Parts: sequence; structure tokens; C-alpha cells
Amino acid sequence: SQKIEQNSEALNIQEGKTATLTCNYTNYSPAYLQWYRQDPGRGPVFLLLIRENEKEKRKERLKVTFDTTLKQSLFHITASQPADSATYLCALASAEDTGRRALTFGSGTRLQVQP
Amino acid sequence: ETGVTQTPRHLVMGMTNKKSLKCEQHLGHNAMYWYKQSAKKPLELMFVYNFKEQTENNSVPSRFSPECPNSSHLFLHLHTLQPEDSALYLCASSQEVIPYEQYFGPGTRLTVT
Repeated sequence: SQKIEQNSEALNIQEGKTATLTCNYTNYSPAYLQWYRQDPGRGPVFLLLIRENEKEKRKERLKVTFDTTLKQSLFHITASQPADSATYLCALASAEDTGRRALTFGSGTRLQVQP
Repeated sequence: ETGVTQTPRHLVMGMTNKKSLKCEQHLGHNAMYWYKQSAKKPLELMFVYNFKEQTENNSVPSRFSPECPNSSHLFLHLHTLQPEDSALYLCASSQEVIPYEQYFGPGTRLTVT
């Protein structure tokens, strides 16, 4: 069955360091992958999108990589700040899913940036 | 108001009650979605509406009944719920263009007693 795995354990890093979060998937051929940020008690907020034919995308301090051979996406936050503390979700859609407008979300990884 | 709004933000209801959740989007989108988020579980897509027509029902029990009177409003009518239905219910909207980047509301925290 299709599966998306994000590290369920919280990631704790020191302010100023680079945070790297992982999204692995199995039995899936995603057409694109999205990353969202979710703060407690709030809805997720879209951050970045990367398509299957793209290796890397950047936006300010954020960088996403997509390796369809490894079936993995990495999400990096450089020069991390305490305000970056949140849960980060990855979401996939296959070419079939796009016709249904359906995204499949991972459970998310909680990031805690210590001052 | 801007973005996607949801009311109420919190709801406690008994198993025999009937209640409704409301969602409104001010982004000019044509697709709207209901998701369920339970503790420690991924977001689960429940329903998708495109131009007011339901295009996806992800095997949701009939005690959840969606309604989309126009492209800006979405309702989720609830009746005879079970305690396991307690969760955060999120509404989202998107443009009618792939990759359907989702814009979420703040959610309704539902507790079924």
C-alpha cells in the first residue's frame, strides 16, 4: 500500500543551525510534492512545491530536494530561528491523484529550535 | 476578512446532537475540501468540491454530510457522531489549477461526548 513516512520524533536543533527534515514514500509515483507548516491549533500553511522532474527548489531560507530514485524529499531550513518551531508536513500527489484533486499527507515532524 | 475562515472554532456535542460546521473562503477559489486531523495521524481527505459539485468522497460515513451552496461556502453537517469522530476538522480551498496548493482555515476542534 502507499505510504508516506516522516520522522515522528521531534527534531531539536540550536538556533542558527540548519534543520533537515525527511519525507520518505513507498509504492507511490508522485507527480509533485508539497511542504506545509502547521502551528498548534492552526491549519497548515503552504511553503514549497517541487515537481517530479525537479531536483531542488529554494525560497529564502528554505530548500527542498526531491530524489525519485531514493523516493525521498529533504526539507532544509538554514539559519534556523525559534520562530521556525512548528510541525512540518509533506504531501504527495500522483498523476492519478491530480485528477481527483487529492493530496496524501504525512503525519508531520515537529521541529523545535532552541535559542 | 481574508483567507479561509471556519466557525465555530470549538464544538462539543453529544452523540445524539445535530450540528453544522461552516467554512468560507475569500480567495476566489473554485475548489473546496474537508479534512479530518486526529492526534498523531495524518490529515485525512474527506470531501472535495469543484465548482459546487462533489468530486470526491473518501469513504466517509453518512453521519457526515457536506453541502456546498456556492464556490465560497462549504458546510459539514454532523449527526449521531461517535466519540472517535472527535478531531480537528479543517477546511481548505484551492485554485482550479494543478497542483492544487491548499489554503487551510484554522479548523474546528470537535469533541463528541
